Amino acid sequence: GAVVSQHPSWVICKSGTSVKIECRSLDFQATTMFWYRQFPKQSLMLMATSNEGSKATYEQGVEKDKFLINHASLTLSTLTVTSAHPEDSSFYICSARDFRQAESSPLHFGNGTRLTVT
Amino acid sequence: RKEVEQDPGPFNVPEGATVAFNCTYSNSASQSFFWYRQDCRKEPKLLMSVYSSGNEDGRFTAQLNRASQYISLLIRDSKLSDSATYLCAVVTGNQFYFGTGTSLTVIP
Repeated sequence: GAVVSQHPSWVICKSGTSVKIECRSLDFQATTMFWYRQFPKQSLMLMATSNEGSKATYEQGVEKDKFLINHASLTLSTLTVTSAHPEDSSFYICSARDFRQAESSPLHFGNGTRLTVT
Repeated sequence: RKEVEQDPGPFNVPEGATVAFNCTYSNSASQSFFWYRQDCRKEPKLLMSVYSSGNEDGRFTAQLNRASQYISLLIRDSKLSDSATYLCAVVTGNQFYFGTGTSLTVIP
């Protein structure tokens, strides 16, 4: 089945630094990838839709200048949290769908990145 | 109105019990439906797809009711290892909409 790989799995950084998270589709091409954030004991929140070769689409309330998304190839999307602050500490999860399959194909998630900003 | 509504629970059930979760969705044009399982501090993992005809995978049965716009997940003979959060997902167009998740704890 479709596999999505995310790296790093966890990161601790100091306030003010930037953190880059990579999301790769390993056995399929993903023209679209999705970035979610999840705070403890809360539901998944869609942050943005990453589109290969074009600008990402951000959900309302998500700062595009703070959460930079680059989708330069059909298998790689990156999320950079710029000038991270403690309130950005969260679980970030990417996902993708194999559009070669039927429209009924599911979304597959990366293993997530746990970010802690001190 | 939210795209997907899901009872957050929590559900605390004894081993061997049968438990059911439901989600309702607001857009009648939604075309695909899934159930995911998420363990604590892990990513969601696909549990099963949901079809109008219903589908079963061992102790798990998923059902879709298009007329009433809800999907359900039934777990029979609950095991301790079933303890997790269960998320429903509804696909409309190219967008996935997730429920808030229902927490299940199976008690020995």
